Amino acid sequence: KQEVTQIPAALSVPEGENLVLNCSFTDSAIYNLQWFRQDPGKGLTSLLLIQSSQREQTSGRLNASLDKSSGRSTLYIAASQPGDSATYLCAAGSGSARQLTFGSGTQLTVLP
Amino acid sequence: ETGVTQSPTHLIKTRGQQVTLRCSSQSGHNTVSWYQQALGQGPQFIFQYYREEENGRGNFPPRFSGLQFPNYSSELNVNALELDDSALYLCASSSPDRVSTEAFFGQGTRLTVV
Repeated sequence: KQEVTQIPAALSVPEGENLVLNCSFTDSAIYNLQWFRQDPGKGLTSLLLIQSSQREQTSGRLNASLDKSSGRSTLYIAASQPGDSATYLCAAGSGSARQLTFGSGTQLTVLP
Repeated sequence: ETGVTQSPTHLIKTRGQQVTLRCSSQSGHNTVSWYQQALGQGPQFIFQYYREEENGRGNFPPRFSGLQFPNYSSELNVNALELDDSALYLCASSSPDRVSTEAFFGQGTRLTVV
């Protein structure tokens, strides 16, 4: 059974800092790994998708890496802004339905 | 492309009642997955429909059931509602026929059972 863990559970940083969010998964037989952003009471916004054959993906100030052998992914956010404040979720796609198994998220607060 | 839309956005039901939630998938996507997100937790996989057939199921009891229609829209039905069913229900669409299996989520339906 796939299990996904995210560390830290919460993070507060001043504006402008670079930061790293961590995600680990127990079963390396994944199809992909996806990072999402969730604002309070809202749905999920897809940030980055890394296929199992890829090592990283970049979009703007975001960079996500994947190391299947060690069961780890990281999301790097450069030059953080108050608008980045949200909960960030990682999800590993695995199983016959390629269903997503989510971590509990990292709640990020960027202080002006 | 139109995004994933869910209805209703909020719903209040009484314990023991039945509820139906609806989801329209993103244009071109033939797969719909449903997730339950309790407060402060990550979403949990309920089930997935691919081309109108159930294609996988998480650890949820049979009173959680679903349908997918020829236009790939979907319904989630929950019978005999319990207080613990109070959660945000999320629908995601994707297309495993494509190289990329990126999942796109709707805004969710907030269900409160009283």
